[in-house]
Amino acid sequence: AQSVTQLGSHVSVSEGALVLLRCNYSSSVPPYLFWYVQYPNQGLQLLLKYTSAATLVKGINGFEAEFKKSETSFHLTKPSAHMSDAAEYFCAVSGEEYGNKLVFGAGTILRVKS
Amino acid sequence: NAGVTQTPKFRVLKTGQSMTLLCAQDMNHEYMYWYRQDPGMGLRLIHYSVGEGTTAKGEVPDGYNVSRLKKQNFLLGLESAAPSQTSVYFCASSPGSSNSPLHFGNGTRLTVT
Repeated sequence: AQSVTQLGSHVSVSEGALVLLRCNYSSSVPPYLFWYVQYPNQGLQLLLKYTSAATLVKGINGFEAEFKKSETSFHLTKPSAHMSDAAEYFCAVSGEEYGNKLVFGAGTILRVKS
Repeated sequence: NAGVTQTPKFRVLKTGQSMTLLCAQDMNHEYMYWYRQDPGMGLRLIHYSVGEGTTAKGEVPDGYNVSRLKKQNFLLGLESAAPSQTSVYFCASSPGSSNSPLHFGNGTRLTVT
């Protein structure tokens, strides 16, 4: 079955440091790719999505992600972490090889240290 | 701006009891979904619907039933709750098509003792 892998269940960075959250997918055809964020006791909110228009996608709150077909990756970055970025982040994919349904990675909890 | 509303927010059940979780959306979306979230496992699709009167099984459908009698509502039922169904349940909706993002409710935390 096609899958999506998030490397690292927990990531800890200092405030002001670079945030890098990794996501790799498995499919022979580039899928649609999404990053969602979940703050405590809330539902998921869309951060950004890739739908083949541009390989570098900018999202909300200063986050961006780059689609790299050769690496089957869609890593999420932010140049400078803020305390308010502490949350759980989910990579998700959809497309024909995923049955046209959204499939989620296991999630990465981001901790921001002051 | 209600979006997707889930009721109840919290529930505790005893093993064998039944309950229904209600999801309502006011965005006129065709597609609706029920996911469960468990630590370290992301969100897993239970059932989904591509339109009023239709339902389909997702990745983990056993022990759950759903109904979509009205376009705006999607109900998730547990006929005989088990401790393995302790989880946080999320409803989501979308206009349809693979590149449409999902809009999520705030979740229902269910504990089965």
